[in-house]
Amino acid sequence: AIRMTQSPSSFSASTGDRVTITCRASQGVSSYLAWYQQKPGKAPKLLIYAASTLQSGVPSRFSGSGSGTDFTLTISCLQSEDFATYYCQQYYSYPLTFGGGTKVEIK
Amino acid sequence: QVQLVQSGDEVKKPGASVKVSCKASGYIFTSYGISWVRQAPGQGLEWMGWINAYNGNTNYAQELQGRVTMTTDTSTSTAYMDLRSLRSDDTALYYCARVNYDILTGYCKYPDYWGQGTLVTVSS
Repeated sequence: AIRMTQSPSSFSASTGDRVTITCRASQGVSSYLAWYQQKPGKAPKLLIYAASTLQSGVPSRFSGSGSGTDFTLTISCLQSEDFATYYCQQYYSYPLTFGGGTKVEIK
Repeated sequence: QVQLVQSGDEVKKPGASVKVSCKASGYIFTSYGISWVRQAPGQGLEWMGWINAYNGNTNYAQELQGRVTMTTDTSTSTAYMDLRSLRSDDTALYYCARVNYDILTGYCKYPDYWGQGTLVTVSS
C-alpha cells in the first residue's frame, strides 16, 4: 500500500496567516491526490482533487500543488472557519490511502 | 442536492455482525460508486473499500477481506456495508461517500459527498 505522510501533524496559526501543509507519498501517485477538511463531529469535506483542482464552492484561498510524491495544500489567508484537520488521500492505486492528518489550531 | 443519509448508531458484542445503510438522493445512483471510510475515536481516516453502483463490482481493503461485504439496492438507491466477526478495534464512525470512477478503467476516484456517519461500538 502507498503510505501518505503529512507534515506537520499539528500547528498553531493566526487568522490572516498564510499556511502550507505538506503531503508526501511513499511512491509516485501522479496527480491522483485529493485534500479534505474535517471539523469536529462532522464528515470530511472535499476541497481539492487532481492535486490542484478546486472543488465547486470551495473558497479560492485554498490551493493545491504538486505531482508525483510531493504535494502541498496552501491557505492564503486563514479564516476562523478554517481551523480544522486536513487530510490528503491518494487514489492512484488500491487500497486508497489517507495521510495521518494535520490539525490547524488557533494561536 | 446530493444527500447521503446513513442508518443509526449501533452497539454490538464482539463476534457479532453489523449492517450499515446509506440512502442516496439528488443524483443518478448508478452513475457513481459508494465508498466506505471509517474513523476510530480520535484517529484518522481509513478506506474500507468501494462498490460500483452500476455493475456491483467491489474492491475491499485487504485487511478487511473476508469480513466485509458491500452491496447496493438500485431500486431504492441504497448502499449497504456488512461487517462480520466484530472486534473491539472495529469501534469507529463509519462513513459512506459518493465516488466518481474512471469509465475506461473502472478505477475508483475520490469521494466527493459524504454521509453523516454511523457510530458502531463493539463492546462486551
